[in-house]
Amino acid sequence: QVQLVQSGAEVKKPGASVQVSCKASGNPLTGYYMHWLRQAPGQGLEWMGIINPSGDSTSYAQKFQGRVTMTRDTSTNTVYMHLSSLRSEDTAVYYCARASSHYYYYMDVWGKGTTVTVSS
Amino acid sequence: DIQMTQSPSSVSASVGDRVTITCRASQGIANWLAWYQQKPGKAPNLLIYAASSLQSGVPSRFSGSGSGTDFTLTISSLQPEDFATYYCQQANSLPLTFGGGTKVKIK
Repeated sequence: QVQLVQSGAEVKKPGASVQVSCKASGNPLTGYYMHWLRQAPGQGLEWMGIINPSGDSTSYAQKFQGRVTMTRDTSTNTVYMHLSSLRSEDTAVYYCARASSHYYYYMDVWGKGTTVTVSS
Repeated sequence: DIQMTQSPSSVSASVGDRVTITCRASQGIANWLAWYQQKPGKAPNLLIYAASSLQSGVPSRFSGSGSGTDFTLTISSLQPEDFATYYCQQANSLPLTFGGGTKVKIK
């Protein structure tokens, strides 16, 4: 059974950047699209973007265009999300999620989340 | 972007109750809809995809219906472990969007 293990909590200052990693254990992510989402404190889910299985194609929500970069290392079964120019509104739990085999816009395996706090 | 509107935002119910949550899309999405359950401090869990297909391992008391713009999630007999927040998500087009959530609380 695949598990997605995310990197640890981060505290950043406004204007800084953060990179969150997501490593699969148990089964490789080969052939799967991967999503990144976030959830601000007490708020709902917000989709950030998707990366294809080979890592050479991404699609980002307009809100994050220019600030987010998603990459993957197939040799280590790891995907990454880099978010720059952080502001206080980026304080949230960030999740990676594997696209479902039923259709790649559903998400069937999720990481436990990485808390990113942006504060001066 | 497709807007997803859930109602109610919260519902109080007792164990054994039948609970229905609705989700409306701002434009037609055929059956490209999923439902997720999220418990406090945990990641979401996929319950239903393609509007009515039960994800493997999910109890059969959960069911989904609808197509086009109007969808429902039904819990036929609420169990203690079902108290959580439920989200709908459209899978018709990017950007993927979610409803605001429905919190199912203990009456």
